[in-house]
Amino acid sequence: KAGVTQTPRYLIKTRGQQVTLSCSPISGHRSVSWYQQTPGQGLQFLFEYFSETQRNKGNFPGRFSGRQFSNSRSEMNVSTLELGDSALYLCASSKDVNTGELFFGEGSRLTVL
Amino acid sequence: GQQVMQIPQYQHVQEGEDFTTYCNSSTTLSNIQWYKQRPGGHPVFLIQLVKSGEVKKQKRLTFQFGEAKKNSSLHITATQTTDVGTYFCAGPEGYSTLTFGKGTMLLVSP
Repeated sequence: KAGVTQTPRYLIKTRGQQVTLSCSPISGHRSVSWYQQTPGQGLQFLFEYFSETQRNKGNFPGRFSGRQFSNSRSEMNVSTLELGDSALYLCASSKDVNTGELFFGEGSRLTVL
Repeated sequence: GQQVMQIPQYQHVQEGEDFTTYCNSSTTLSNIQWYKQRPGGHPVFLIQLVKSGEVKKQKRLTFQFGEAKKNSSLHITATQTTDVGTYFCAGPEGYSTLTFGKGTMLLVSP
């Protein structure tokens, strides 16, 4: 069974640009969550999608957005990049976040210069 | 919102010593999960505890869920270099969010 796939794995952007990250969940998983991981703040929740609906959003500015498609694949977008957006962005899938474990992808490491 | 605190932030032990990390939530949890992240890797699920006072063991790892379902601990007996990594606890917030503690980084010297 294939795991959670995130693309791209690494990317470098400059301030002001925008970025789109993609996540393909495990087959059959309908919940996709996104987390931002930085050394100082740990794993911070961005948003969660279930059956194409955003069920919850973390405390991040509106520059951070996401969506989920009918095949459960998800994308997140960050516009007007700032230096502080440099982080590892992790996607995790589950059958339902309240019933069990999250399966994380390898992450997309974003560097903003 | 819910806060999940972990202590210590960092611990360095000699191989063979024991290790414990503690997790405390500001709210009562329906369950608590533990994850391990190896250096350069991604978090990997270890276990979920659901019942008050529950204790579960996985080889040298012992997980406990407090009676009030607000705290938990992970104890590793006789650490090995393969135990190196960051250990996170996480609790559900609502029905769609898992809130993570900041983790305890474990370094094991041979």
